Amino acid sequence: DGGITQSPKYLFRKEGQNVTLSCEQNLNHDAMYWYRQDPGQGLRLIYYSQIVNDFQKGDIAEGYSVSREKKESFPLTVTSAQKNPTAFYLCATSARGDHEQFFGPGTRLTVL
Amino acid sequence: AQSVSQHNHHVILSEAASLELGCNYSYGGTVNLFWYVQYPGQHLQLLLKYFSGDPLVKGIKGFEAEFIKSKFSFNLRKPSVQWSDTAEYFCAVNAFFSSNTGKLIFGQGTTLQVKP
Repeated sequence: DGGITQSPKYLFRKEGQNVTLSCEQNLNHDAMYWYRQDPGQGLRLIYYSQIVNDFQKGDIAEGYSVSREKKESFPLTVTSAQKNPTAFYLCATSARGDHEQFFGPGTRLTVL
Repeated sequence: AQSVSQHNHHVILSEAASLELGCNYSYGGTVNLFWYVQYPGQHLQLLLKYFSGDPLVKGIKGFEAEFIKSKFSFNLRKPSVQWSDTAEYFCAVNAFFSSNTGKLIFGQGTTLQVKP
């Protein structure tokens, strides 16, 4: 069953703790993306990666970090430096040369 | 900076009413245009897309959109909405820069509520 998996669906953390969100895909897509969705603000790009071992900052990268050691995986770490981490986080992928993006189910992070 | 603007933040319609959601973008070069939909509790999924050719694009579930280059617009339409169309709708633009990587830029989203 091809697709994008994000886990967990809901995540709670205490303020000051780092937390890592998982994104795995078996679509064999080269590019992967992380977005943050907040009410009334649409989706904003955090980081993206077009190939393994390479990634670029998006529009709101401060307080986040990523790695791309495998084609299938693009984990996002929300660090304690992120001022307002509570949000819905979406992972997306796209095939080489194709600009349509496919989205995972998302992880809702709540920092208490 | 490139941006995408959706004019309506919250739309309430009765079933069978016609729908038009506005989308404007600010980029003068080559663009790809998308409308995505997020039904309650479901993944964000593609409704339709425009890359080139006929500016009137038909998508899933009876939706269509018209690309008007002179107006930098890509409005979404449906002649007769159903209760099941209740969802959040996002317009997105993929602008091609010199590197040709093309980042996807989203509008703020429009919440559509259809009353039975």
